[in-house]
Amino acid sequence: DVKVTQSSRYLVKRTGEKVFLECVQDMDHENMFWYRQDPGLGLRLIYFSYDVKMKEKGDIPEGYSVSREKKERFSLILESASTNQTSMYLCASNEDEKLFFGSGTQLSVL
Amino acid sequence: GIQVEQSPPDLILQEGANSTLRCNFSDSVNNLQWFHQNPWGQLINLFYIPSGTKQNGRLSATTVATERYSLLYISSSQTTDSGVYFCAAGYNQGGKLIFGQGTELSVKP
Repeated sequence: DVKVTQSSRYLVKRTGEKVFLECVQDMDHENMFWYRQDPGLGLRLIYFSYDVKMKEKGDIPEGYSVSREKKERFSLILESASTNQTSMYLCASNEDEKLFFGSGTQLSVL
Repeated sequence: GIQVEQSPPDLILQEGANSTLRCNFSDSVNNLQWFHQNPWGQLINLFYIPSGTKQNGRLSATTVATERYSLLYISSSQTTDSGVYFCAAGYNQGGKLIFGQGTELSVKP
């Protein structure tokens, strides 16, 4: 079975903090994705990566950056967290186009 | 870009009933997937179905790409089917998908 693991299920941070969300997949997938999910807005793509050290902006990249130093790990970085970044963050990877998600990180920024 | 619309937004069923969820998309796609998000938030991939029909147990899906819609059928529903069902579509973008707003299904015992 494909496994996508997100390091934290719940996270509480203060406004202005630098926040790292970690995601690891164990299936040697080339492509990895970060989405955020908000009530009424559905899932929106923040960033994605097709290969190590390669990244592309999704639909809502503002306020975020990413890092992919190793194939299996894709990190989402909030340089200076703000309250409007309170959300559920979902990492995913794909194989032959089929997308697999991690269990999500519910981030609250106070 | 591609727009994805799902209907109905909400659905309440008695256990054992059948249902059909619909997904319309605005442009040509070569990637169409259905997901189930359980009450704990985990998204499970149900089908990768850019065209044709697939079945997996009580669930089946059909995509008619030329008419830009896909249907998800749930037969003999169970309480464990409750949650939100998402359709997502894309075209030649390395797996990048646009998600619909979801159909929230509640199956009552």
